Order: sequence, then structure tokens, then C-alpha cells
Amino acid sequence: DTGVSQDPRHKITKRGQNVTFRCDPISEHNRLYWYRQTLGQGPEFLTYFQNEAQLEKSRLLSDRFSAERPKGSFSTLEIQRTEQGDSAMYLCASSATSGQPREANYGYTFGSGTRLTVV
Amino acid sequence: AQKITQTQPGMFVQEKEAVTLDCTYDTSDQSYGLFWYKQPSSGEMIFLIYQGSYDEQNATEGRYSLNFQKARKSANLVISASQLGDSAMYFCAMREYLTGNQFYFGTGTSLTVIP
Repeated sequence: DTGVSQDPRHKITKRGQNVTFRCDPISEHNRLYWYRQTLGQGPEFLTYFQNEAQLEKSRLLSDRFSAERPKGSFSTLEIQRTEQGDSAMYLCASSATSGQPREANYGYTFGSGTRLTVV
Repeated sequence: AQKITQTQPGMFVQEKEAVTLDCTYDTSDQSYGLFWYKQPSSGEMIFLIYQGSYDEQNATEGRYSLNFQKARKSANLVISASQLGDSAMYFCAMREYLTGNQFYFGTGTSLTVIP
């Protein structure tokens, strides 16, 4: 297990179509996070799971977005009826604990992201 | 108000020289962590260095050091002996331990190392 894997790396879709992305975290990590990064910006938090429970959702996560982590392992992020404003890099990260007090030992590991282009 | 502010959209540094990337943060929490990540063109966020709000010493990791000035709420990254492979986007981030589990990221600084 060499890191966080995301699939696909790139996705081009027509406006109005549904898309689904997958994230496979580091196997011993119980926490999984989704972030969105638009051009020229830093990543913005979308949601996070502890095991299979979705514990926090950002206001950025509109009702067209849904994330699941059914068995506490891999996660999927689905966007329904895509819009051009959804074009972004979608980053997944995992961690073993909240990290406090020595975050460096338990820090997030990010995947390489899925770059979505809606045309 | 922005939680993390990075005021340098782009920086240039000569190879083998040192460079400082600025970061200021805003929080009312007493317990928080500050991080720097490197993002090469491949897109992956690579963890570089961490500083806890209660840490009295500045963090160091190899060629990376974090200049932590708590009263000024700044957490600047210093890269010594720059290498061509250091050319990338650099993001400062913060976690507030009492109020949530998310990272707040700045807008990043694009560093270019000149041979």
C-alpha cells in the first residue's frame, strides 16, 4: 500500500451528465476527506468520513454532490447534473487520527486528484 | 475573513539560495496546527512541515524550516539551498483542533528555481 489512489486521473464530461470518482485511502487510515481545488486557489474542504460515517459536510457540497464510504474503506464522490462551475481538481486525503498533538506523525496523505472538466 | 493568507502569488529564487514564503493566519482557537504542502504539476499535495500552536521551537525538516511568530500569527516557510526540483506551488494550511477536522488552505505561492 503505497499511498492514496484516485481514479480516474482525468475526466471530461458534458454539462448535465453524472460523474463518479473513486478514492482508495491508505488501508490503515480510518479517516477520509474530500477537497475541491479550482484553478489558482487552494483546496477547499467538502466532506469527511470516519470509517463509514460521514461526520462533516461543507456548505460547498450542494445537493448535486453525494459522497459515500460504504465499508469504511474506499469512497466515492458523485456529482449529478454537472455544471461548468464543477470543473476543478477533486482531491482525496486520508489520515489515521485527528493528529493532535503531534500531527506530523499522523498527518494527512493526499492522492494525486481527479481533474474534472465540464464542457 | 480569510483563515490563511499567502500574499506572494509567485516567487523566483536562484538555485542554491534560500527563499522565504510568507503565510499569515487568523484564528481565535488556542490549539491549532500549521502546515506547509508542496504541489508539483502532477497535482499531489506533499506534506513538508508541521508546527503546533504550543510548540516553542520552530519546526525543521531537512532543508525546510518554519519561522513561527505566534504573536504576529505568521508561519513562514524557509527553504534553504534551493534545488530545481523545488519549483512547484506551495500551500500554507491550518487546522483548528477544537472546532473541526478540516484544513484551511491559502491561495498558494508558485516558486520557480532558476538555474
